[in-house]
Amino acid sequence: GAVVSQHPSRVICKSGTSVKIECRSLDFQATTMFWYRQFPKQSLMLMATSNEGSKATYEQGVEKDKFLINHASLTLSTLTVTSAHPEDSSFYICSARDDTSSSYNSPLHFGNGTRLTVT
Amino acid sequence: RKEVEQDPGPFNVPEGATVAFNCTYSNSASQSFFWYRQDCRKEPKLLMSVYSSGNEDGRFTAQLNRASQYISLLIRDSKLSDSATYLCVVKEGSQGNLIFGKGTKLSVKP
Repeated sequence: GAVVSQHPSRVICKSGTSVKIECRSLDFQATTMFWYRQFPKQSLMLMATSNEGSKATYEQGVEKDKFLINHASLTLSTLTVTSAHPEDSSFYICSARDDTSSSYNSPLHFGNGTRLTVT
Repeated sequence: RKEVEQDPGPFNVPEGATVAFNCTYSNSASQSFFWYRQDCRKEPKLLMSVYSSGNEDGRFTAQLNRASQYISLLIRDSKLSDSATYLCVVKEGSQGNLIFGKGTKLSVKP
């Protein structure tokens, strides 16, 4: 089945540093990938939609200059949390849609998430 | 505001019980619906899609009522391994991003 690899799975960093999270589709191409964030006991919230070859679309309230997204190839999207602060500590998950999937109803494939802790 | 709302839970049930989860969505234009399962501190995993005619997968039955904007999930003969948080999910927009409910936690006890 389709696999999305997300790396790292866990990261602890100091306040003020930047953290890069990678999301790779391993056996399919994904023009569109999504980045979600989940705080404890909350639902997954969409942060941004990443499109290969164009600028990401950010959801309201998500700072594009703080959460940099780069989708340079059809199999890789990266999210960089710049100048991280303790309030950025969360569970970040990417998902990807298989370009070959012709059905709008096809589900997305999720990475295994990155747990970020900013001290 | 577009939202997906679920039963607050938690549901604590004995093995073998039947349990039902409910969900409502606010965007009447939504076209695709899913139930995902999320284990503690893990990524969500697709449990099943939800079709207008209702669909069943083993012990799991999903129903959709478009008029009421209501989705349900029925789990029969609960197993210990069913313990997880169940997320009601609606796909929206031209790019098909997923809107998640907060989830309902299920705990199946021996």
